[in-house]
Amino acid sequence: EAQVTQNPRYLITVTGKKLTVTCSQNMNHEYMSWYRQDPGLGLRQIYYSMNVEVTDKGDVPEGYKVSRKEKRNFPLILESPSPNQTSLYFCASRTGGNTEAFFGQGTRLTVV
Amino acid sequence: GNSVTQMEGPVTLSEEAFLTINCTYTATGYPSLFWYVQYPGEGLQLLLKATKADDKGSNKGFEATYRKETTSFHLEKGSVQVSDSAVYFCARSGAGSYQLTFGKGTKLSVIP
Repeated sequence: EAQVTQNPRYLITVTGKKLTVTCSQNMNHEYMSWYRQDPGLGLRQIYYSMNVEVTDKGDVPEGYKVSRKEKRNFPLILESPSPNQTSLYFCASRTGGNTEAFFGQGTRLTVV
Repeated sequence: GNSVTQMEGPVTLSEEAFLTINCTYTATGYPSLFWYVQYPGEGLQLLLKATKADDKGSNKGFEATYRKETTSFHLEKGSVQVSDSAVYFCARSGAGSYQLTFGKGTKLSVIP
């Protein structure tokens, strides 16, 4: 089954404690991206990757890091989380062109 | 840059009412257009898409027509059901075809 898998689904952490949200896709897609979803703001792109070792900033990259060492994985790293990073996060992948994006189930992060 | 504007919500309708959610996009390049749906507690999933002017996307009773002259892609359904309650996102592909730009989402609640 084609899917994008994120882990964990829910996470509560404290300010400053490094964390990683994993994302894996099994569709051999080149393009992967991370979004955060906040009330009234919709989906905002954090980072994206066009292929292995190729990443770039989206609209709201501050406070986040990513890596793309393998085609299937695209982890999101928060080196020093802060309360304003409390949000719902989605990973997505697609092949580009006219194709749809496939989304993970989301990770609800709370930073206290 | 690329942008998508969709009508503000929330929208509350009675079962069997007619639904329209407006969406307009910036006319840069030749984008593909998408509607995604997010059911409570889930990730986004593709509802329908259109890849060129005058195309009509349809799925589950929902329809949207790619109108280049008005740069619009309005979502319609003739008779909504309680199970259609969700958040709906309009999106366009970017000039490089990899990026997707989303509207802020419209929350629909259908009451019996």
